[in-house]
Parts: sequence; structure tokens; C-alpha cells
Amino acid sequence: EVQLVESGGGLVQPGGSLRLSCAASGFTFTNDWMSWVRQAPGKGLEWVANIKPDGSEKYYVDSVKGRFTISRDNAKNSLYLQMNSLRADDTAVYYCARGGTTASYWGQGTLVTVSS
Amino acid sequence: QSALTQPASVSGSPGQSITISCTGTSSDVGGYKYVSWYQQHPGKAPKLMIYDVSNRPSGVSNRFSGSKSGNTASLTISGLQAEDEADYYCSSYRGSSTLGVFGTGTKVTVL
Repeated sequence: EVQLVESGGGLVQPGGSLRLSCAASGFTFTNDWMSWVRQAPGKGLEWVANIKPDGSEKYYVDSVKGRFTISRDNAKNSLYLQMNSLRADDTAVYYCARGGTTASYWGQGTLVTVSS
Repeated sequence: QSALTQPASVSGSPGQSITISCTGTSSDVGGYKYVSWYQQHPGKAPKLMIYDVSNRPSGVSNRFSGSKSGNTASLTISGLQAEDEADYYCSSYRGSSTLGVFGTGTKVTVL
């Protein structure tokens, strides 16, 4: 059974940092692109970043370029999102998803709230 | 990176069929056969319902079907059931070296 479990969300002040983690199991992690997708409260879905299986290619939505970094540790079957210089409009539930173009499986999400 | 355009809401009675449209451009929906559809119930994670325009993942009811014509993709739900009441999002590939794009989302109400 495919499982994706996110952690690391919480309340952070504007300008602060957070690191999200996603533990993957039930599939061959090293074969798949992985993504982060977010959903602001009451809003729609937005692709945030994705990463190639070997980590050699990474893509970001314009609004997070230079502030967020996606990475993975294939030895640990884990995906990460380092978020720096956080802003109020980064407040959202962040989902880890299997796939780079089609998100075939999703985690339960972790809430990031940016507020003073 | 503008979102794909979906109707804000669609409704139907149990047993009826409804269709949700997803309009993009030749740079996304019209240019590739990589359109997917997701169902999201309140407070839950999205679930993949259709991929590559018209393919259903294992376990998804055959009441859900997808198609595409030009720059517009569509999701049809036939034999509407109460459990189909949810938000639905389309997504499209936009080429290499860039992220995909989601639609604006459609709330489906079963009357």
C-alpha cells in the first residue's frame, strides 16, 4: 500500500523558516518524480515544486523561486521542502505527492501557518 | 502561470450525468495528452480520478470518464451519486522544465 506521510508544519512568523518532510513507503521511491502541492485556506490547488528521481532536476512555481528548496534522500525514501523567508501568502496545507505531472497518490497534508 | 478555467459549480440530481469543463491553451491542455482530474472531499486530500485525459486508475468507478477537444478537457460523471459531491480539479502538463497547472476547481452538488 502506497503511503505518504508529511510532517514539519506549524506556526511560523513572517520571514521565518520551516522544513517539511515526507516519508514514502509502498512503492519504489527511486523510480518516481515527487512533488509538493499546496492549498491555501478555502482556495484551490497549486503545484509548488517537483524533483526528478535522481534529484538532478527541480522545478518551482515562480512565487517560491529563491525561497524554497525541494530535495530528496533516496536512501531514506524521503522528500523534503525547505521553506525560507516565509510570507503570509505561503499559509496553506502542503501535500506531498507521488509523480511530477500526475499526482497518483497524496499524503494527508501538513498545515503551515505564517503569522505574527 | 495562470490557472486553467473551470466552472465554479455544477449540480445534478442522483442518477443524472454531469460534465465539468477545463479550458486552457495550446501550451497546456491543447498541446499534450497529459490532463488529469482530482476529487477532493472537504478536509481530505485530493484523489486521482482520471489521468492522461481519459484513463482511470485501478479502483476508480467507471462512472467517471474523461475526454479532450482542442484546448478544453472534460470530466463526465454518469449515474450521479451522493458520494460524488466534492470539489474537482483538473491539471495539465505544460512541457518540460516547468511545473504543471491546476484548474480553478469545481464544486459538484448532488441535489
